[in-house]
Amino acid sequence: DAMVIQNPRYQVTQFGKPVTLSCSQTLNHNVMYWYQQKSSQAPKLLFHYYDKDFNNEADTPDNFQSRRPNTSFCFLDIRSPGLGDAAMYLCATSRVIANEKLFFGSGTQLSVL
Amino acid sequence: AQTVTQSQPEMSVQEAETVTLSCTYDTSESDYYLFWYKQPPSRQMILVIRQEAYKQQNATENRFSVNFQKAAKSFSLKISDSQLGDAAMYFCAYRSGGATNKLIFGTGTLLAVQP
Repeated sequence: DAMVIQNPRYQVTQFGKPVTLSCSQTLNHNVMYWYQQKSSQAPKLLFHYYDKDFNNEADTPDNFQSRRPNTSFCFLDIRSPGLGDAAMYLCATSRVIANEKLFFGSGTQLSVL
Repeated sequence: AQTVTQSQPEMSVQEAETVTLSCTYDTSESDYYLFWYKQPPSRQMILVIRQEAYKQQNATENRFSVNFQKAAKSFSLKISDSQLGDAAMYFCAYRSGGATNKLIFGTGTLLAVQP
């Protein structure tokens, strides 16, 4: 049973056209994360939510925003996608326990034309 | 800032043989956790094994074990009796002991398993 669900699996957008990626979870976890993974690179944390508290990484561009309307859902908004934003976007969740693992979704592969 | 380094971009192993993937990290913290994640072609990250820094005993999960050398800041993964299904990208990851649970990943090692 899928526990962290990302839709869509593949997303194509045009340069400068806003796009939203979605993530939902059935685990009731407090923390939700968004990672960006470019080809052949390590995943890079963009931001995370601890319940309703938003935590942005210092080097995350302003072009990236996030919303968490409730425990189950979290959205990644890219206001004006550039070619350099083409990547796999991974959503993950965890409980707030120090050695707890992260549960990852299958990711959304974003292409920017 | 903490960093994680994986110096082997690619590795290859024969089926049923043993392979070791290297990972080093840099931190000034005393309380932290280390992980190995596997990312198969499906791209879904799967936890392989975890190690608490305060534990001296090396973690083991079936065919997977780690060699944790805290003083050397080294955290290698050994895969015994390699199987075709082990072929994947392997990421070493670090997390501070605080409540933020932020994972910092290394650049990954692509493991190929030869039949």
